[in-house]
Amino acid sequence: EDKVVQSPLSLVVHEGDTVTLNCSYEVTNFRSLLWYKQEKKAPTFLFMLTSSGIEKKSGRLSSILDKKELSSILNITATQTGDSAIYLCAFHSGGSNYKLTFGKGTLLTVNP
Amino acid sequence: AAGVIQSPRHLIKEKRETATLKCYPIPRHDTVYWYQQGPGQDPQFLISFYEKMQSDKGSIPDRFSAQQFSDYHSELNMSSLELGDSALYFCASSLAGPGEQYFGPGTRLTVT
Repeated sequence: EDKVVQSPLSLVVHEGDTVTLNCSYEVTNFRSLLWYKQEKKAPTFLFMLTSSGIEKKSGRLSSILDKKELSSILNITATQTGDSAIYLCAFHSGGSNYKLTFGKGTLLTVNP
Repeated sequence: AAGVIQSPRHLIKEKRETATLKCYPIPRHDTVYWYQQGPGQDPQFLISFYEKMQSDKGSIPDRFSAQQFSDYHSELNMSSLELGDSALYFCASSLAGPGEQYFGPGTRLTVT
């Protein structure tokens, strides 16, 4: 059965710290991996990764996919309290499948 | 930029009643997805539509049905509601099939 595992489940840091969130997957077919940020509302799209080794960057956030290791990391530098959220990793298997399969998420808390 | 619109935002129903949730995708998006998220859970895929045809089906109960209309909006119809149906229901949309999925604000359904 396809699955996505995120680690850590929960993380508490101080403002200004750098964090690395991990996502590993075991899937039959792989097309893309997506990262979302969820505060007390809808998941907000961050990145979609399809190619291994190519970093995607948006401000203080960046992410990279390693297809050999079947994993991805999401880095957040110079964290701010507004980064506090659940970060969800999801994969899309492609083919006739349209759904995203999500991991359980990492709860990030950034303290002032 | 216009986002996915969902209505209503909150809904309270009694057991065995019916509910209809509506979703208006981002303009020009032709693919719509429905997800259910229980408390402390990750989003679970229910069903998706591409160009008004069902494109994929997940763990959607037989009591639920959905469709996509000619203007690409979608409705999720839920009958014989059960207490366990209480959850956040997200709609997401994308352009030209599976890809970057953008989520709406969700409808919080409470069944009493």
